[in-house]
Amino acid sequence: GDSVTQMEGPVTLSEEAFLTINCTYTATGYPSLFWYVQYPGEGLQLLLKATKADDKGSNKGFEATYRKETTSFHLEKGSVQVSDSAVYFCALSSLDWGGKLIFGQGTELSVKP
Amino acid sequence: GAVVSQHPSWVICKSGTSVKIECRSLDFQATTMFWYRQFPKQSLMLMATSNEGSKATYEQGVEKDKFLINHASLTLSTLTVTSAHPEDSSFYICSARDIGAPLNTEAFFGQGTRLTVV
Repeated sequence: GDSVTQMEGPVTLSEEAFLTINCTYTATGYPSLFWYVQYPGEGLQLLLKATKADDKGSNKGFEATYRKETTSFHLEKGSVQVSDSAVYFCALSSLDWGGKLIFGQGTELSVKP
Repeated sequence: GAVVSQHPSWVICKSGTSVKIECRSLDFQATTMFWYRQFPKQSLMLMATSNEGSKATYEQGVEKDKFLINHASLTLSTLTVTSAHPEDSSFYICSARDIGAPLNTEAFFGQGTRLTVV
């Protein structure tokens, strides 16, 4: 079945460092891909999305490109801030699954001043 | 983006009592809402898919008689944890997708409900 695999955390970076969180997926068909962010004690917020191959999603300095050839959707940011500290979830949504979101295990990011 | 409101944000109840959690889509209609459970430092586990006007679809291993779901309108779904026990303590999150959106588009999440059973 469809699945999402993320790099394990926690990831600890200094402020202004470059961030990469790896995400790979297994899916039949052509899923849409998402990154969600969860701040402590809160629900999930959509960070960015891509709906087809080679699409680049971007928001708040974060970017991710839908790579069908490598089945990846890695999250990147050029310069992280303390306020970016949160848990990041990669997810996919497929018509084959009736629109259910399938999540990776989440990656905790901690940014130190 | 669209707003999903979940209430209450936290609740403490005694063992054996029932707790109802509401999930409302504030500025859109949702034929389908999803209920998740999240344990500390873990990912979201889909419990059930709530369909307006029909029975919910539960994931394997989720007790439908314990976690009652009602989706009576296009803007409201409720999850009732019946006869709650300490092992039901968790973070419950709902999500909803706009009625007009394709199935493979994003869903919007409520802020979650922290349930503690004592």
